[in-house]
Amino acid sequence: AAGVIQSPRHLIKEKRETATLKCYPIPRHDTVYWYQQGPGQDPQFLISFYEKMQSDKGSIPDRFSAQQFSDYHSELNMSSLELGDSALYFCASSLFGTGSYEQYFGPGTRLTVT
Amino acid sequence: GESVGLHLPTLSVQEGDNSIINCAYSNSASDYFIWYKQESGKGPQFIIDIRSNMDKRQGQRVTVLLNKTVKHLSLQIAATQPGDSAVYFCAENSGGYQKVTFGTGTKLQVIP
Repeated sequence: AAGVIQSPRHLIKEKRETATLKCYPIPRHDTVYWYQQGPGQDPQFLISFYEKMQSDKGSIPDRFSAQQFSDYHSELNMSSLELGDSALYFCASSLFGTGSYEQYFGPGTRLTVT
Repeated sequence: GESVGLHLPTLSVQEGDNSIINCAYSNSASDYFIWYKQESGKGPQFIIDIRSNMDKRQGQRVTVLLNKTVKHLSLQIAATQPGDSAVYFCAENSGGYQKVTFGTGTKLQVIP
């Protein structure tokens, strides 16, 4: 079965640079979520989109922005990168209205800021 | 703020034994809880969920127990196998209609 696809899988950037992470949800899923997971930490919810509209917002820094496109893929844009942004970034997707909150996670993008 | 959290950061069990992973939550309004398994270098994987109108739910080799009185959640894994070695997170639907809040993970180590 098709899973959530994230690209790139690994990314190395320098401080103050920008980065764009991409997420392709499971086909027919209408909701995407972004999480940040630092080393040894639990995933922290950043933001979610339902039908291309922002549906929930968590601890996303103002330097970050995200959107969901008409084909339901999503991009997380990160500017003025800081060393503390080094983390695993997960995207998850789900289908709203099924009665379940189950989210399907992608393999993650490992961002390293040097 | 409201949060969920786990009592033990690391749990070591002998292969074949049963494992119990505990979780405490503080938001009494939470009505949906999920257990995730995360293997090294991978994204969290859904294991089992439970709604607040239930106190027990069983899956394949796993059982989740919910005690709303003391705001406690547990995951029981029967006949633990080496493939069960991972970090386990409890999570709750935390107010936003889709947002999920993860608790601190517990690392399960299975001793062959």
